[in-house]
Amino acid sequence: QVTLRESGPALVKPTQTLTLTCTFSGFSLSTSGMCVSWIRQPPGKALEWLALIDWDDDKYYSTSLKTRLIISKDTSKNQVVLTLTNMAPVDTATYYCARGDYNSNLMGDYWGPGTLVTVSS
Amino acid sequence: EIVLTQSPGTLSLSPGERASLSCRASRSVSSSFLAWFQQKPGQAPRLLISSTSNRAAGIPDRFSGGGSGTDFTLTIRKLEPEDFAVYYCQQYGSSPYSFGQGTKLEI
Repeated sequence: QVTLRESGPALVKPTQTLTLTCTFSGFSLSTSGMCVSWIRQPPGKALEWLALIDWDDDKYYSTSLKTRLIISKDTSKNQVVLTLTNMAPVDTATYYCARGDYNSNLMGDYWGPGTLVTVSS
Repeated sequence: EIVLTQSPGTLSLSPGERASLSCRASRSVSSSFLAWFQQKPGQAPRLLISSTSNRAAGIPDRFSGGGSGTDFTLTIRKLEPEDFAVYYCQQYGSSPYSFGQGTKLEI
């Protein structure tokens, strides 16, 4: 059974760095074809794709946020970590992680429940 | 970067009717890499369709996807009450893997 769960602070101050962890089970990021994405959704707004890391440690980033984002993985812990620097109120959103499987040509077949991050002083 | 534009922004229909949602890309997307998601309030998105027309596991056959190049469509025939939600398309053939802005399907 595939599950993902996001964890991290619910509240961060402006200019701080946000670190979120996606802990997953039911698959391995050392398996060829597997990947994990981060997506966010401001309250009442649309989904925004942020970043992806794959089994081969290739990393892809949102064009508008790439100078502020870092994605990494710890295969032994089944975790993917997203770092977003210089947080601002506009970064207030629910942050999701989701699995992808290039072998089956699937993206986002499993999602975590999301974690709401509020940016406020 | 591929921009996806969904239309209409809001679609008002009744149960039993047929819904047709559009997703237009700023440049060609491989049909192998176009997905549709459904999202209900307070929930994570759920994958409906991958590779333009392949229903995900457990998705009823009243949901169907089609299209090619820059124009893609999600069709829901005979709407059920639980189908009223927001729908997003996503392309994952070219990074960054963009989403459309969503179509709200309301009663």
